[in-house]
Amino acid sequence: QQQVKQSPQSLIVQKGGISIINCAYENTAFDYFPWYQQFPGKGPALLIAIRPDVSEKKEGRFTISFNKSAKQFSLHIMDSQPGDSATYFCAAKSFGYGNKLVFGAGTILRVKS
Amino acid sequence: DTEVTQTPKHLVMGMTNKKSLKCEQHMGHRAMYWYKQKAKKPPELMFVYSYEKLSINESVPSRFSPECPNSSLLNLHLHALQPEDSALYLCASSQEDGSYEQYFGPGTRLTVT
Repeated sequence: QQQVKQSPQSLIVQKGGISIINCAYENTAFDYFPWYQQFPGKGPALLIAIRPDVSEKKEGRFTISFNKSAKQFSLHIMDSQPGDSATYFCAAKSFGYGNKLVFGAGTILRVKS
Repeated sequence: DTEVTQTPKHLVMGMTNKKSLKCEQHMGHRAMYWYKQKAKKPPELMFVYSYEKLSINESVPSRFSPECPNSSLLNLHLHALQPEDSALYLCASSQEDGSYEQYFGPGTRLTVT
């Protein structure tokens, strides 16, 4: 129940295209869903996050879509650029002492120029 | 400023050595975390400190010994490590244990020979 399932494992997109990464969860207590971006040899950086009271959140070229009834959320990267090539992790968490950030397995994105 | 700093960036140590990893944040956060990340895997939680007290130990072997000297600093003391302990060690912090946003440092790449 604590798992977050992420797909695909890897993704190749042409420059200017849309990258889509999907995640699904089971634990309905989760109420915070962040995405982290990690470049090789660096730590994960918080990219964008959503709470379940909204169905979509957009920041620049990055959009999270959230479907509470399906217990799924996804990251869309519009106009993908080679500089977006990185590993993306979705995660989920419920607020409160001792509640951990649960990560998906990660998606390696490569944007071809 | 959401910066977490870690030193050293890289560390190579033998199985009989004793070394320490250091982490610092100046965001006034009261929760700090150690994670271990193997290649192409998500971060795995090791320890959580809340208000300078150890609150979570994820059954980590005793050859890893965390320490929180003050609210801004977190150390991880290493002794008698095994080659399989080679990984990227990440420090993170959040406003409080249980807060949503966690901010990661750049990590220390540890190689055990």
